[in-house]
Amino acid sequence: EIVLTQSPGTLSLSPGERATLSCRASQSVSSNYLAWYRQKPGQAPRLLIYGASSRATGIPDRFSGSGSGTDFTLTISRLEPEDFAVYYCQQYGSSPLTFGGGTKVEIK
Amino acid sequence: QVQLQESGPGLVKPSETLSLTCTVSGGSITNNYWSWIRQPPGKGLEWIGYIYYSGSTNYNPSLKSRVTISIDTSKNQFSLKLSSVTAADTAVYYCEVGGYWGQGTLVTVSS
Repeated sequence: EIVLTQSPGTLSLSPGERATLSCRASQSVSSNYLAWYRQKPGQAPRLLIYGASSRATGIPDRFSGSGSGTDFTLTISRLEPEDFAVYYCQQYGSSPLTFGGGTKVEIK
Repeated sequence: QVQLQESGPGLVKPSETLSLTCTVSGGSITNNYWSWIRQPPGKGLEWIGYIYYSGSTNYNPSLKSRVTISIDTSKNQFSLKLSSVTAADTAVYYCEVGGYWGQGTLVTVSS
């Protein structure tokens, strides 16, 4: 099973700032099948990035994903109020599919 | 775009079987991998398993002995059964396909 470790656990930033979230895998993610989700309180997760770097439909270009192998990054170039939430990475290249523990982006 | 809606009892007694159904609209269930994922209150996400439209399944080994996922293409639905539940199975249960998620349904295990 691939274990995904997200860091930091909590990120305290102000609106308009840049956020950089990390997701490290215990072994290489097959075909870079790595997704990022944003989850607001009381809502289902929303897909932001798939295939490590492809934005999902309707996702603004302030979100970008990068990385390969075992190290992946989600960057939010300028934080909007709706971006203060919890972010999860997920690998779907190997079974069982697994999620990281999440990074909470909170208002500083 | 495809929409998913979970349905089923919100309260299940310990040792009984949790049963949920996901109804698919806006698209056909006769393609793709259809997943169940859960999230205990205040915690992270756990993949339970998926079913391909042909009926083949893949389950999380941590739950495999208790999980059955089935599909009914005539009704555009797929279902989850989790047997011998305990309080640790209390969670919001989501159905998902290709990054589209249902709104989730809270299932509480309690006598």
